[in-house]
Formats: sequence, structure tokens, C-alpha cells
Amino acid sequence: SAVISQKPSRDICQRGTSLTIQCQVDSQVTMMFWYRQQPGQSLTLIATANQGSEATYESGFVIDKFPISRPNLTFSTLTVSNMSPEDSSIYLCSVEGDSSGGEQYFGPGTRLTVT
Amino acid sequence: KQEVTQIPAALSVPEGENLVLNCSFTDSAIYNLQWFRQDPGKGLTSLLLIQSSQREQTSGRLNASLDKSSGRSTLYIAASQPGDSATYLCAAGWAGSYQLTFGKGTKLSVIP
Repeated sequence: SAVISQKPSRDICQRGTSLTIQCQVDSQVTMMFWYRQQPGQSLTLIATANQGSEATYESGFVIDKFPISRPNLTFSTLTVSNMSPEDSSIYLCSVEGDSSGGEQYFGPGTRLTVT
Repeated sequence: KQEVTQIPAALSVPEGENLVLNCSFTDSAIYNLQWFRQDPGKGLTSLLLIQSSQREQTSGRLNASLDKSSGRSTLYIAASQPGDSATYLCAAGWAGSYQLTFGKGTKLSVIP
């Protein structure tokens, strides 16, 4: 398994501002994933982040709105840019475990409220 | 489009009861299926992972099954406890993709 930490755990932000969320893993991993969970909804994948290459975004998500950095094999950041109340969600990062089964592990999440 | 559905959306049971949570998926070409637990305002805790070649997995009081032909998975919880109260999510993984497709979850309340 992997131990994942996220900062901040929660934040309240004003519309039009940006917030950068950090994700730290206790071991080196190839793939890191960023998910969004809107209120009352399930998780939706935003993008997949590989170290040393541009993140791959899912349909409906763009780099200008959700820029991602992946400077090394244990760390990634997700920025939520030019926020609006619709961005209020829990943002979670996850990694795939080192077994071949494809099990994914999740961080504790960042609860974002945009006013 | 692959979809994952969980029924019921909420379930309330008395302590000590055995219960089953249901998960269905639209594409039988599933790679794996993972069950998670989410406590209010928190992240996800992985409970069980079932590979497409497996029929079930067990961990303590939890047993998860997978039937690819019918597009269903179940999570069986034995002798439920108030500490089991949480939202349970199932997520399907597909060959050739890292993306997990999540259901909306079943909110379980175990009443003392």
C-alpha cells in the first residue's frame, strides 16, 4: 500500500482566486491521479500525471483551469484556477500500488469551498 | 460509455445484522473492481480489490464477489457494527486505462 498526504486539508477561497493543492506519497510511483468529488456526486477523474511529461486530461477538464505539476516520483500539485462556486468540491489524489493488480490508493482529500 | 451503479443509495440496519451492498457495471470487459469506504468529508480507504479472473475476495468481516457475466459485484458485511457506518463506493477499472469509474455510493448507517 501507499501512504498519501494532501495539503491543505480544507480551504475557503474567494471567486476569481487560485488554489494549489499538494500531494505527497511515501514511495516512488509512476502514475498519480487527480479526482474531483462534487457535493453529492461520485468521483470523476480530472487528469493523470506522469513524472517528466505533460499531464493527460479527461474530457471536460483543461490545463488552463487545472494546471498540474509532477516534479518527481513522490510529489504532485493541482491548481484550481480562477475559481467559481461550481469548483467547490473535494479534490483527491491517488496512486496505483506496486502490485500488478491495479489497486489504487487515495489521499485524505482537500475540501474546497468557493464563496 | 462505461457506467457503475450502486443500489440502494442509503441503507440503515440494526447492529449485528449481516448486509449486502450491490454494484452493477455496464461493460463486462472489466479489468478489476475495487470497493472503498469513505467517511464524511474524508478520503477513500481501499477495502477489497477483485481481479477480473477472480470470483471473490475476503478481508475480515468483508467479502466481495464479482460476476462479470451479469455485470454485478456485491460487498457482504457480516455482523455489522456502528463503526461500519460510512459511504461505500465501488469502482471499476478497465483494460488499457488507469481510470476508475465510480458508482455514487451507498450510505450505510448501523444503528446501535
